[in-house]
Amino acid sequence: DVKVTQSSRYLVKRTGEKVFLECVQDMDHENMFWYRQDPGLGLRLIYFSYDVKMKEKGDIPEGYSVSREKKERFSLILESASTNQTSMYLCASRSGQALYGYTFGSGTRLTVV
Amino acid sequence: SQKIEQNSEALNIQEGKTATLTCNYTNYSPAYLQWYRQDPGRGPVFLLLIRENEKEKRKERLKVTFDTTLKQSLFHITASQPADSATYLCALERDSNYQLIWGAGTKLIIKP
Repeated sequence: DVKVTQSSRYLVKRTGEKVFLECVQDMDHENMFWYRQDPGLGLRLIYFSYDVKMKEKGDIPEGYSVSREKKERFSLILESASTNQTSMYLCASRSGQALYGYTFGSGTRLTVV
Repeated sequence: SQKIEQNSEALNIQEGKTATLTCNYTNYSPAYLQWYRQDPGRGPVFLLLIRENEKEKRKERLKVTFDTTLKQSLFHITASQPADSATYLCALERDSNYQLIWGAGTKLIIKP
């Protein structure tokens, strides 16, 4: 069964900490995405990547960075965590074939205190 | 700006009936429209994709329609079951750049 795996289901970090969220997919997909999801706001795109070492800003990139050193791994980095970054973070991947949907990970519930 | 509207109120349906969810969009001509299911605390799960030149698509008990004139998609679940209870998200895609614009989702509750 194909998978997108996020390293942690729940995470609690302190304000100002550097936070790494890891995402690994085993489907050899070219495209990977990081979203955050908040009640009433829906899914908002943070960053995405079309290929190794490539990254593009989404709608809300401020306070975040990403890394894609290998095709299967896409990391989201919170440079200095703040309480307004408390959220559900979702990683997704998609093949280059346009007729297929996204495959999402189970999500990481991050709480910044 | 692009906007997608899904009914923000929960939809309560009796088991065995057909559930119909609506996705309306404005200021946009999407190439593809997708539907996802999301359970509480989990990531969305892809259900169906329909192209702009397709009127209808089916998968088991699921049916999606796409009316580009009305700028609307309808998502139907026939013979609904309590296990179908979840939030359903629609998303629009521009051509093939893989970015999606998401609706906020509609919560569906199937009562036994």
